[in-house]
Amino acid sequence: GENVEQHPSTLSVQEGDSAVIKCTYSDSASNYFPWYKQELGKGPQLIIDIRSNVGEKKDQRIAVTLNKTAKHFSLHITETQPEDSAVYFCAANSGYALNFGKGTSLLVTP
Amino acid sequence: DAGVTQSPTHLIKTRGQHVTLRCSPISGHKSVSWYQQVLGQGPQFIFQYYEKEERGRGNFPDRFSARQFPNYSSELNVNALLLGDSALYLCASSLPRTGGLGTQYFGPGTRLLVL
Repeated sequence: GENVEQHPSTLSVQEGDSAVIKCTYSDSASNYFPWYKQELGKGPQLIIDIRSNVGEKKDQRIAVTLNKTAKHFSLHITETQPEDSAVYFCAANSGYALNFGKGTSLLVTP
Repeated sequence: DAGVTQSPTHLIKTRGQHVTLRCSPISGHKSVSWYQQVLGQGPQFIFQYYEKEERGRGNFPDRFSARQFPNYSSELNVNALLLGDSALYLCASSLPRTGGLGTQYFGPGTRLLVL
């Protein structure tokens, strides 16, 4: 199947710092790139998504950038808070399926 | 509004048994997708259904099957369970979107343990 690579696998930042998670994808037909936050014992929660007709999207402390030429997209969280601690997944569509990265475990320490 | 709901929340089965998992989409959503999430990994696509028709199928054996009902709820069935089927099974619902995949909203999942 089509691959989505995600880095880093773990990320530890101090409260108030920024966190950046990067993903690459292989399917040149992908046109939808969501990001999900998953807390222990819960299902993935959509936090932001971007479609291929835009290069950047921002929602308060969260922003996503997309470079279709290079086939990579990134999540930026500014002014991190302890409640941002969770596993974050990027995904890219292949047809009607979402292909997910392996996840980034983000720890925000007070 | 209620989000995606799934039942049961937890399930324990033994090898060789059969299991049925259920999903109710967000009100107004006509598309349901199923994903398998093994511990420590990202979700893996199993099926997508829209208007009771299968629109996509992932790389899973024929032991996995699904269907969608007229009220858009869905069932995932797994036959002849293997230890490796132990996972969190996620359901996602979405509105249709012309020319692309609709935004997928996930439920809390059903955690299946096969002994």
